[in-house]
Amino acid sequence: GAVVSQHPSRVICKSGTSVKIECRSLDFQATTMFWYRQFPKQSLMLMATSNEGSKATYEQGVEKDKFLINHASLTLSTLTVTSAHPEDSSFYICSARDEEQFFGPGTRLTVL
Amino acid sequence: TQLLEQSPQFLSIQEGENLTVYCNSSSVFSSLQWYRQEPGEGPVLLVTVVTGGEVKKLKRLTFQFGDARKDSSLHITAAQPGDTGLYLCAGADTGKLIFGQGTTLQVKP
Repeated sequence: GAVVSQHPSRVICKSGTSVKIECRSLDFQATTMFWYRQFPKQSLMLMATSNEGSKATYEQGVEKDKFLINHASLTLSTLTVTSAHPEDSSFYICSARDEEQFFGPGTRLTVL
Repeated sequence: TQLLEQSPQFLSIQEGENLTVYCNSSSVFSSLQWYRQEPGEGPVLLVTVVTGGEVKKLKRLTFQFGDARKDSSLHITAAQPGDTGLYLCAGADTGKLIFGQGTTLQVKP
């Protein structure tokens, strides 16, 4: 199957700082990528749909000014958590859609 | 908003036992996927079912899609410790995936 990578795999930051997470589709072009958040022992919650060359579509309750999404190319989408706080600590997972959705390995964010 | 109810949420069984996980919705989905996720990793696709009444087998795993395309089940025969993980069903809704709550399965040797 297709390969989706995420970087970094783990990040620890101080409260108030911003963190950027990259999602890349390695062997196919993805006009649409998705960002999910997963808390321990819970399912994936869709945060936003990232569209190449246009603004992201955010799910209800997700602050677009806090979670900035940029889909600058057909193989790269970035999620920036701005002014991170401890409650933003979570497992962030991206997926890229070819004929089906392929998921990245996730990024563990810990905000101290 | 379409919702997927997955049950049970937690399951702990002995090696060799059989189990079934259910995924139910009041809405119709164009397709439904089942994923397995290990701790600290992304979900890995097991199967996609598209046609109402469809049955797919993957070794000891049997997947069914309801006739009305509103529900699905995953049956594991003779579970093994290697089957331990989080199982997620997800329905396709206008290009997005809507996930169920997940079923954490623990298979004890």
